[in-house]
This record gives sequence, structure tokens and C-alpha cells, in this order.
Amino acid sequence: DAGVTQSPTHLIKTRGQQVTLRCSPKSGHDTVSWYQQALGQGPQFIFQYYEEEERQRGNFPDRFSGHQYPNYSSELNVNALLLGDSALYLCASSRDFNNSPLHFGNGTRLTVT
Amino acid sequence: RKEVEQDPGPFNVPEGATVAFNCTYSNSASQSFFWYRQDCRKEPKLLMSVYSSGNEDGRFTAQLNRASQYISLLIRDSKLSDSATYLCVVNIPGNTPLVFGKGTRLSVIA
Repeated sequence: DAGVTQSPTHLIKTRGQQVTLRCSPKSGHDTVSWYQQALGQGPQFIFQYYEEEERQRGNFPDRFSGHQYPNYSSELNVNALLLGDSALYLCASSRDFNNSPLHFGNGTRLTVT
Repeated sequence: RKEVEQDPGPFNVPEGATVAFNCTYSNSASQSFFWYRQDCRKEPKLLMSVYSSGNEDGRFTAQLNRASQYISLLIRDSKLSDSATYLCVVNIPGNTPLVFGKGTRLSVIA
């Protein structure tokens, strides 16, 4: 039973560039949430996708966008990267969007230089 | 008041000790509560859900106090392998699905 998988594991980009991160949810899960975790902080909610639509969004600018595909996989796109976007990006899946426990992937560590 | 607050620690305890963490939340309408464990440079992993009546899983006990709006995690007979950051997670109705605290760092020392 495959868990949540994310790619890539590490990424280095320069300011102003764009990045796409990918996530495949755990088998049987239909909801994908994205979190950003800076060093020494708890994960901060970016947005959540269910039935291919963004259902909820945290306090992140429009530079952060996403997508969910019919197979429930998801992408996180960040445009015009800033140094402050350097963080661990975590994808989490759940069985529904009603606060079921989240299962996290290993994360993508993004470094912006 | 922050939505979810935790004492960041670190808590440094000897093997075999009992240690307790508290977490306070701001929204009295919150219904779902969890404790996650996160090892250094790894993803958070669900440790246990927290139920209204309190629940136990081996050496771990979680409790909810709705009146005072906090949840707690008690670890008995600490092991070296318990060293990690423990994240308190709460749903905030009408806002984000699940909100994480900053985490409490635990170091169990031989």
C-alpha cells in the first residue's frame, strides 16, 4: 500500500524562477493538502484540493497555485520565487476534507538562492 | 491569542522519565485534535488522535480539556527513540482544515 509520494525530494532555484512540486496521495485518499514548513516552525497550511477544486486556502499570496488531477494527484506551483520561499513543502492526503487525520509525504526541500 | 500554542521546549529528560506536553487552542468550536511526531528533517507522522474521553496507546496518553481549551500528551517510561518534535494539531472551523502548533522538542537522554 503506497503512502504519499512527493517529487522531487530536493530542489534549488534562484529568485524570480518558477517551481512545480508534485504529489501522489495515499491509496484510497481523495483530498490533498499542501503545507509549508520553515525551519523551527510548524507546518503552515497553503491550500487543499478535493474533487479537482481548491476547497480552502491559507494566508499565502497568489504566487502559490495548485491543481488536482482526476487520479487525485496534485501539483503545487510557485511563481516569482523569493528567498523567503525556502522551506520544506509537505503534501498530505486524507480520506475526505472533513478533518480526517493527514498522512504526509516525505516533503520537497526547496532552496531559493 | 494564537490559534494553537505549544511550549517549544526543549524538554530534556532522562530515560524512564514521565513527561507531559500541553497545547492550548483558541477556538471553542474546534472538534478534531491530534498529536503528530516529527523527527529531524522528516515529515510529521500521526501519533494519535485525541478523543473527548481521553485515550491511551501504550506509553502515550492524550487528554482533552474543553473547558480550558487545551490538549495534553503524556509519555511514560521515556525511551531514547522518543526524542523528536511533538506537534499539536487542531481543526479551526471555518478557517483552515487543520492548524499545527510550532511543536515541542523532546530530548531523552541516556
